[in-house]
Amino acid sequence: QSVLTQPPSVSGAPGQRITISCTGSSSNIGAGYDVHWYQQLPGTAPKVLIYSNTNRPSGVPDRFSGSKSGTSASLTITGLQAEDEADYYCQSYDSSLGSSYVFGTGTKVTVL
Amino acid sequence: QVQLVQSGAEMKGPGSSVKVSCKASGDSFSNFAISWVRQAPGQGLQWMGGFIPRFGTATYAQTFEDRLTISADASTATTFLELSSLRSEDTAVYFCARAQNQVVNGEQFFFSYMDIWGKGTTVTVS
Repeated sequence: QSVLTQPPSVSGAPGQRITISCTGSSSNIGAGYDVHWYQQLPGTAPKVLIYSNTNRPSGVPDRFSGSKSGTSASLTITGLQAEDEADYYCQSYDSSLGSSYVFGTGTKVTVL
Repeated sequence: QVQLVQSGAEMKGPGSSVKVSCKASGDSFSNFAISWVRQAPGQGLQWMGGFIPRFGTATYAQTFEDRLTISADASTATTFLELSSLRSEDTAVYFCARAQNQVVNGEQFFFSYMDIWGKGTTVTVS
């Protein structure tokens, strides 16, 4: 059971803006631990999209952005494109599970 | 650029063990840590543990610590994941990934986030 909860699915039309939430608790996001986001295309390994809450690695388009507040974090895709259809996962650290790194439940993004 | 090449697919019987390898190239092996993450069919990602070559130490998620061994051979820049007492629920794709080290508010995180991934190794327990 993941301690980070995401909506199972989010959809939007091309060009729209969508937001994926990642809800945690006082032992992970709320404790101040960084949140990272990954994109996983079908049949491939995950790829880091956002690290340390708001930072984009080189090569990641600026239509992807991240934020964090309290016990939650969000990934926003502005100007949704067909190639953004994928699974998205948040990840953080949790101090209540014998000190472990944890992933969110995952969100399937569908481009209508 | 660091590349991680994983060993091939495995099929194992219940109760047996499996050993998956992850060979790194493109950077000094001691410069980064390796995380292992698995993904069961149709399911999400699960962090299993990791190895810090600089210290020669492994860290395990509590869920796996009684049957998981992560080790490395520095001479070949290869990290190994060995999972014992396999059951059908262990059927999954197992990924290795380079983990970035971060210090946040004075606390060190050796497996903060994963920026380079192997292609994955499918392990089937049947």
